[in-house]
Amino acid sequence: QKEVEQNSGPLSVPEGAIASLNCTYSDRGSQSFFWYRQYSGKSPELIMFIYSNGDKEDGRFTAQLNKASQYVSLLIRDSQPSDSATYLCAVNAGGTSYGKLTFGQGTILTVHP
Amino acid sequence: SAVISQKPSRDICQRGTSLTIQCQVDSQVTMMFWYRQQPGQSLTLIATANQGSEATYESGFVIDKFPISRPNLTFSTLTVSNMSPEDSSIYLCSATSGGALEQFFGPGTRLTVL
Repeated sequence: QKEVEQNSGPLSVPEGAIASLNCTYSDRGSQSFFWYRQYSGKSPELIMFIYSNGDKEDGRFTAQLNKASQYVSLLIRDSQPSDSATYLCAVNAGGTSYGKLTFGQGTILTVHP
Repeated sequence: SAVISQKPSRDICQRGTSLTIQCQVDSQVTMMFWYRQQPGQSLTLIATANQGSEATYESGFVIDKFPISRPNLTFSTLTVSNMSPEDSSIYLCSATSGGALEQFFGPGTRLTVL
């Protein structure tokens, strides 16, 4: 059974700190990995995706992928109170499952001033 | 990225009735999907809406309960049939464009069944 697991948190960090969000997945054949941000009462907003081992940076966000360990993470540098939200990790298996996303339960992040 | 709209944004329905949710994208997209987000939970894929053919349903979801249409490359509907309170959820439409990996979501439809 394909599973995506995240620590539900809540994760609390002070403003300006680095927030580290982690995700593991069970399907070793998974090909692409996504991080979404969801504010309360809103729909998920794509932050970034990654499909190659290593790091991918976009502004204050860095996604890290380690396929051997079946682990993907999201780092948020210089965290701001506006980053307070639920962060969802999603995985796509590719192949005949192209486009289909399996989501983790989400990690609640609180950035306090 | 494609802009996705959904109608209605929310509704309160009586047990045993049906509701059809519309999803409109502002440009032609390759794939469209329907997800459900139950209260306090994450997203679960219901089905892939296939243009001009029957939708592909995930395990635990059936066509009789969630009929889906996709008559063209920019529009899809999801019907929640014979509703019960357990169907109270947020229903989200999403889309990908071309060969892109990015998948974007509509604003969702918040359904409450009494």
